[in-house]
Amino acid sequence: ETGVTQTPRHLVMGMTNKKSLKCEQHLGHNAMYWYKQSAKKPLELMFVYSLEERVENNSVPSRFSPECPNSSHLFLHLHTLQPEDSALYLCASSHGTGAGELFFGEGSRLTVL
Amino acid sequence: ILNVEQSPQSLHVQEGDSTNFTCSFPSSNFYALHWYRWETAKSPEALFVMTLNGDEKKKGRISATLNTKEGYSYLYIKGSQPEDSATYLCAFYNNAGNMLTFGGGTRLMVKP
Repeated sequence: ETGVTQTPRHLVMGMTNKKSLKCEQHLGHNAMYWYKQSAKKPLELMFVYSLEERVENNSVPSRFSPECPNSSHLFLHLHTLQPEDSALYLCASSHGTGAGELFFGEGSRLTVL
Repeated sequence: ILNVEQSPQSLHVQEGDSTNFTCSFPSSNFYALHWYRWETAKSPEALFVMTLNGDEKKKGRISATLNTKEGYSYLYIKGSQPEDSATYLCAFYNNAGNMLTFGGGTRLMVKP
């Protein structure tokens, strides 16, 4: 039990599909994050939510749309993706958005055909 | 864009060997340095959060040092075991309002 659960673990979608990634944390944290891990690249921050408000959007294309309905849940809605969006998407949570450690989920492996 | 470099990219050692690897980061506006361990098919887990120049932290056979003036941190593993095989990530946090910036990681493989 990692405390941060991501579903689905694997997703294959076509470029015209609409799908969503889900993240749930049971740690009582008030900040949640989406990171992208592409092959041979460092983890890239995509979005940060603090107290359910988006505080960071790292120039992510609009085909990725985050949603944070409450402090325990975070979604990443996907539509009209490109093959180069295939990657591992990691969710994380923390106490606040300061320099405290991040608690990660196991990731959702996305393949766009 | 903050540049966080890790070296080497990968490392193969024999069981029982001690090893170390490096994380380099900008020395200005330092706030914190994190080390994470990421085993295949699992989630990254925090090893250390370091904030003070000269910090040394230890967890079992793993230890880390921090030099904020010159912008580097070392991670040491004493007597490597096969279960130490993982990717070790460092992440830098500055006090200019940026979020954690990760390095590319060092992939360690320990042969029995």
